[in-house]
Amino acid sequence: AQSVSQHNHHVILSEAASLELGCNYSYGGTVNLFWYVQYPGQHLQLLLKYFSGDPLVKGIKGFEAEFIKSKFSFNLRKPSVQWSDTAEYFCAVIGGNTGKLIFGQGTTLQVKP
Amino acid sequence: DTGVSQNPRHKITKRGQNVTFRCDPISEHNRLYWYRQTLGQGPEFLTYFQNEAQLEKSRLLSDRFSAERPKGSFSTLEIQRTEQGDSAMYLCASSAKEGAIYEQYFGPGTRLTVT
Repeated sequence: AQSVSQHNHHVILSEAASLELGCNYSYGGTVNLFWYVQYPGQHLQLLLKYFSGDPLVKGIKGFEAEFIKSKFSFNLRKPSVQWSDTAEYFCAVIGGNTGKLIFGQGTTLQVKP
Repeated sequence: DTGVSQNPRHKITKRGQNVTFRCDPISEHNRLYWYRQTLGQGPEFLTYFQNEAQLEKSRLLSDRFSAERPKGSFSTLEIQRTEQGDSAMYLCASSAKEGAIYEQYFGPGTRLTVT
């Protein structure tokens, strides 16, 4: 069965620190990978997505993620976080043609000003 | 606003009552999804529609849950004989094919509390 694992449940950083959130998935076929963000009081929004091509994907607000097929990973990075990045971050995968998203359990990021 | 909308935003009900939620997708999006999210967890897939056809249902969707999408537009999710374990945020998402994949856009959710 497909699954997604996010390594960090709660991360606390100071502004300007670098961020890396881990995500590993379990699926042997072609995958489409996503990172979603949920700011306090808001709905889920797409940060970035990967479905083919360059494994280094750039998203909104300075975020990027790297797809490493051999490691089944899709880690999210940002060189310098801001207080406004405080949110919950979800990694997700669509396996094959099902269309459904399989989400990780999420990582809560708290950025201290 | 042209995003996905959900009503009601909050619902408090007593155990054993029936509840119905509505989702209005982005216009012309042919796929519509329902997910459930509990505290501290990522959303879990419940079911999805392509136009009016319900193509997949999760094992999480017990007999007490039913979803419809008449005419391929809005969708309703009904929970009969609610239980306390049904308390959760119910999310709706819609999508249309962009290139090779369907990118899903989420609504604000309906928070259900069963007392």
